[in-house]
Amino acid sequence: QKEVEQDPGPLSVPEGAIVSLNCTYSNSAFQYFMWYRQYSRKGPELLMYTYSSGNKEDGRFTAQVDKSSKYISLFIRDSQPSDSATYLCAPGANSKLTFGKGITLSVRP
Amino acid sequence: DTEVTQTPKHLVMGMTNKKSLKCEQHMGHRAMYWYKQKAKKPPELMFVYSYEKLSINESVPSRFSPECPNSSLLNLHLHALQPEDSALYLCASSPSRGVSYEQYFGPGTRLTVT
Repeated sequence: QKEVEQDPGPLSVPEGAIVSLNCTYSNSAFQYFMWYRQYSRKGPELLMYTYSSGNKEDGRFTAQVDKSSKYISLFIRDSQPSDSATYLCAPGANSKLTFGKGITLSVRP
Repeated sequence: DTEVTQTPKHLVMGMTNKKSLKCEQHMGHRAMYWYKQKAKKPPELMFVYSYEKLSINESVPSRFSPECPNSSLLNLHLHALQPEDSALYLCASSPSRGVSYEQYFGPGTRLTVT
């Protein structure tokens, strides 16, 4: 079993939709749960992160972690065409990030 | 300045060439990272420098040689690479205190080995 599994894509939604992006993990040592966004041919950009279990909201984005079920989620409300990118979950432990494979999101105008 | 810059943006090199990739940040971060990313794959950690000392080497072949001349600069020296080393090479930095997983990435150098 891979340490981090991310829902396969790609995902295509109409503008204004609510998007749910999900990952599962197996390593109980993970304490920080990062979400990165990567536009085509660019470096990853830190979107937001949570520490341990719980929710964190930042504008249209909400990150959620359930450590009991080892489940990580990112919700995007009122999705915009500019949200079209690859989203990578990346839990961290021992000073290292472990990236999921990424899911490519396309928001149709 | 909240940027990580990388040069060159693109590099084509033969298998016998020696070249270097450069990364620079002026955010006062004391940890810097090299990652390799193949197409449609996640970034893979190669090296971590903390306070200008190599702290993590993810069993990277010796044809990749990192160097951290000072707290703002990170180099990756390349020698005798193979075509399968063609990839996007990403540099990142993070604050020395608090969350070291809060990594800020540069745009990358797209390397092609012929």
